[in-house]
Amino acid sequence: GQQLNQSPQSMFIQEGEDVSMNCTSSSIFNTWLWYKQDPGEGPVLLIALYKAGELTSNGRLTAQFGITRKDSFLNISASIPSDVGIYFCAGRFSGGGADGLTFGKGTHLIIQP
Amino acid sequence: EAGVAQSPRYKIIEKRQSVAFWCNPISGHATLYWYQQILGQGPKLLIQFQNNGVVDDSQLPKDRFSAERLKGVDSTLKIQPAKLEDSAVYLCASSSQSGFQETQYFGPGTRLLVL
Repeated sequence: GQQLNQSPQSMFIQEGEDVSMNCTSSSIFNTWLWYKQDPGEGPVLLIALYKAGELTSNGRLTAQFGITRKDSFLNISASIPSDVGIYFCAGRFSGGGADGLTFGKGTHLIIQP
Repeated sequence: EAGVAQSPRYKIIEKRQSVAFWCNPISGHATLYWYQQILGQGPKLLIQFQNNGVVDDSQLPKDRFSAERLKGVDSTLKIQPAKLEDSAVYLCASSSQSGFQETQYFGPGTRLLVL
């Protein structure tokens, strides 16, 4: 099955720095999602994007749905220790009731205090 | 509101053995998904149910994997016989219904190790 191209694979940053990660696909989606997964837990939804060009914020997180519908990015401003974890992008193309998610391989965020 | 429940949380078996995982979705959620997450990768959809019917099982390895949701609530995923490459986290997710604006909520997963 298809997986999205997510980059970077990992990031080592200082507390307080801004973070940027992105995701690209060869196929179009009508929904882009960003999830965070902590060790031993399932993914938790951070931001959902439903329209091409849409820019959405959730606290210190900002994400955009690319105009071509084949890409998305996530920014985290002023990182804090609890931001540590693995961030996944996911795309969804709903059709005929089937709306399972296609995930990227994840960006592992590590913050040095 | 209780989240998606899964059991067991961990399972270790030998290759060629059988194993089953159980999922209880959020109350009232009609749509249920099973995903497989291999170490270092993102989750991959195995099967989607709408109530007790299968909507999408195109990525389910049907020679060894099976899943059911007989009463449209709980679901079980079975592997028979297991192979080494089946070692992964098996995640269950649910949403109130299918649709591009519906949020999928994930359970904590079952970690399977095949020796």
